[in-house]
Amino acid sequence: AQSVTQPDIHITVSEGASLELRCNYSYGATPYLFWYVQSPGQGLQLLLKYFSGDTLVQGIKGFEAEFKRSQSSFNLRKPSVHWSDAAEYFCAVGFTGGGNKLTFGTGTQLKVEL
Amino acid sequence: EAEVAQSPRYKITEKSQAVAFWCDPISGHATLYWYRQILGQGPELLVQFQDESVVDDSQLPKDRFSAERLKGVDSTLKIQPAELGDSAMYLCASSLAAGGPYEQFFGPGTRLTVL
Repeated sequence: AQSVTQPDIHITVSEGASLELRCNYSYGATPYLFWYVQSPGQGLQLLLKYFSGDTLVQGIKGFEAEFKRSQSSFNLRKPSVHWSDAAEYFCAVGFTGGGNKLTFGTGTQLKVEL
Repeated sequence: EAEVAQSPRYKITEKSQAVAFWCDPISGHATLYWYRQILGQGPELLVQFQDESVVDDSQLPKDRFSAERLKGVDSTLKIQPAELGDSAMYLCASSLAAGGPYEQFFGPGTRLTVL
């Protein structure tokens, strides 16, 4: 069965520091990958997506992610975190031929210290 | 900018009562999804529609949950009777189609509390 692992449940960083959120997936087929962000009590907003091509993808709000097939990873990065980035972040994976269904990780809660 | 609409945003009910949630997807989106998100977890797909047809309801507890999308546009998710364990956020999403990969656009969700 497909699975998505976000090993860090909580992460705390200082404002201005760099950030990396980890995501590993388990799939047999060619994956497509997403990172979503969720503020408290809100729906999910897409940060970025990888379908094919360049493995380094740029998203909104200064986020980027790199797909590494050999490591089955799709880690999210930001060079300088802002206090408004505090939220929960979800990695999601689908695969070609899967009917556009997504499997989500359990999320990483980001806290930003001023 | 087009958005997925959901109502109500919050619902408090007592166990054994019936509840219903409504979703209006982005215009032109053929595929609609209902997810359940328990606090501290990621969303879990309950049911997926392609137009008015159900294409996946394998995770829908069919003894108490039902979903419909009669005209292939808006959709209703119903729980009857509600149980304490149903307390969660119910998210609706839509995408252009189901062939993939397509981005799923999410609504603001309905927060259900069962007392």
